[in-house]
Amino acid sequence: AQKITQTQPGMFVQEKEAVTLDCTYDTSDQSYGLFWYKQPSSGEMIFLIYQGSYDEQNATEGRYSLNFQKARKSANLVISASQLGDSAMYFCAMRGDNNAGNMLTFGGGTRLMVKP
Amino acid sequence: DVKVTQSSRYLVKRTGEKVFLECVQDMDHENMFWYRQDPGLGLRLIYFSYDVKMKEKGDIPEGYSVSREKKERFSLILESASTNQTSMYLCASTEGGLWNTEAFFGQGTRLTVV
Repeated sequence: AQKITQTQPGMFVQEKEAVTLDCTYDTSDQSYGLFWYKQPSSGEMIFLIYQGSYDEQNATEGRYSLNFQKARKSANLVISASQLGDSAMYFCAMRGDNNAGNMLTFGGGTRLMVKP
Repeated sequence: DVKVTQSSRYLVKRTGEKVFLECVQDMDHENMFWYRQDPGLGLRLIYFSYDVKMKEKGDIPEGYSVSREKKERFSLILESASTNQTSMYLCASTEGGLWNTEAFFGQGTRLTVV
């Protein structure tokens, strides 16, 4: 079984500052992938960044980076230079190699609010 | 431009009605999923399908059924809608056999049961 925990229901950040959104996971799969999605108020799910369990380097995509600590089973999302448009729900998710359909398991989400 | 399309953005149904939520993807993906999203609970998996006519229960299948007669279409059915099924429903699809690719989502259907 897979489990994702996001312990921050809501967070504020000042515009132009960096913010870290926490994610811890639990799995018995040998190989797995960790994903972050953004959900604006409009409701669509936007894929942000991916980290594979065997990747030695932390993933980066523009202003997004993933602080992957495998021994601690954490995959925190770091957003640098926050913008007002970053205000949204953020979900951490994972897929493993040992379940039919390789289904995606989600955390409870973190609502990020960027203050001008 | 790849797409997952859900048939409705907003639906209002009466208690006891049979409700169909439709999802179509144009990426030839093997896997399709239905999630339910509620505040503080994240996305919870209702059902998924990894092939035509194949379906598997997710974490919260009670009160729901699904149908996948064609590869591109995955339907979620509420046999007798109840007020506790008021929620946002999200459809997603992924490539088959690969765990390291992202899921693509539809725009969501906000269902209200009155």
